Amino acid sequence: EPEVTQTPSHQVTQMGQEVILRCVPISNHLYFYWYRQILGQKVEFLVSFYNNEISEKSEIFDDQFSVERPDGSNFTLKIRSTKLEDSAMYFCASRGDSIGYTFGSGTRLTVV
Amino acid sequence: SQQGEEDPQALSIQEGENATMNCSYKTSINNLQWYRQNSGRGLVHLILIRSNEREKHSGRLRVTLDTSKKSSSLLITASRAADTASYFCATALYTGGGNKLTFGTGTQLKVEL
Repeated sequence: EPEVTQTPSHQVTQMGQEVILRCVPISNHLYFYWYRQILGQKVEFLVSFYNNEISEKSEIFDDQFSVERPDGSNFTLKIRSTKLEDSAMYFCASRGDSIGYTFGSGTRLTVV
Repeated sequence: SQQGEEDPQALSIQEGENATMNCSYKTSINNLQWYRQNSGRGLVHLILIRSNEREKHSGRLRVTLDTSKKSSSLLITASRAADTASYFCATALYTGGGNKLTFGTGTQLKVEL
């Protein structure tokens, strides 16, 4: 069964450093998403991406965040200058023409 | 209350019993989905119910949706220890933008032997 792949599974970074979280969506999917889940809290929407541009973003997705689809397969989330409160599990998801989403297994980001 | 609140927050049952989790939401939706998350792991899609559907079954799962009450329930029958996880509802509304999911607060289910 096709799956969404996220790397790395766990990343530890120093406060103020830049991180790039990587995702390989399902190959024929058209819509891509990033969500995050702070430990013990609900899953929150960050951004959606379609046709090589952001289609919607949340208030969380401020100027320190950016997304990119640098080639035909990868979808990345960059956090420019990490803060302690960015520590969370980050999930990538993709969707084709159907309404079902497929989530990756997540990247646990720890900012120290 | 927030979009997608679930109750109970935690549920502990014995293996073989049924588990029922409820979800309430506030806005219009196109569909409602249920996800499972094992501790610290990824989200696994369980079942999706469209706004024009009232009930849906998948194996041991039964989902109901009452759009007039803006609520849904997930029933897991004949629970197993392996069903121990957090369960989240998520609503989807297609507005032409990102068609994002809005997740609930989750129910932690513990199934004991």
